[in-house]
Amino acid sequence: NAGVMQNPRHLVRRRGQEARLRCSPMKGHSHVYWYRQLPEEGLKFMVYLQKENIIDESGMPKERFSAEFPKEGPSILRIQQVVRGDSAAYFCASSPQGLGAEAFFGQGTRLTVV
Amino acid sequence: DQQVKQNSPSLSVQEGRISILNCDYTNSMFDYFLWYKKYPAEGPTFLISISSIKDKNEDGRFTVFLNKSAKHLSLHIVPSQPGDSAVYFCAARQGAQKLVFGQGTRLTINP
Repeated sequence: NAGVMQNPRHLVRRRGQEARLRCSPMKGHSHVYWYRQLPEEGLKFMVYLQKENIIDESGMPKERFSAEFPKEGPSILRIQQVVRGDSAAYFCASSPQGLGAEAFFGQGTRLTVV
Repeated sequence: DQQVKQNSPSLSVQEGRISILNCDYTNSMFDYFLWYKKYPAEGPTFLISISSIKDKNEDGRFTVFLNKSAKHLSLHIVPSQPGDSAVYFCAARQGAQKLVFGQGTRLTINP
């Protein structure tokens, strides 16, 4: 049973480009969470999704960021017109029920904006 | 507004001794607390948790203590081993939807 898979592991984008981060949850998990970790900081909640629904996006920046979890395929975190301040590690977690306590994390995508 | 705080950015402990990592929180509505361990370039790995109705949970070398009146929890690792060297994050559950993390404490176990 594969764990939470995130790709790419590393992503380099120039300022103004778009970044797409993908997350495939563990088999049987229908709840996905995205977190961001800035250098020397803890993980900050961004968004919680179930299949085809955004449940809580209270941690998402109001502009340029969006997330989806379609019926088929991975969850996607999309950042448009990236800026240097978007450089961070982005982690995805999944759980079988809506219980953040039982979430399992992927290895993360390290985004670098140059 | 930092609802979960780990005030020690780093901790150094000798192998075989006890490691104590501390965490404070401000939101009395948190009902579940967790510790995660993180190695460089990897995602956080769940370590141990405790419900707010308990004051202690033990799993092998790891014990978590919760003091609700002080809004404080701690993780004890005994005996400490070199493989325990990592960053440890305290997290609190807010409803069923998200975890609120502390800033992390880097634990180094010295031989």
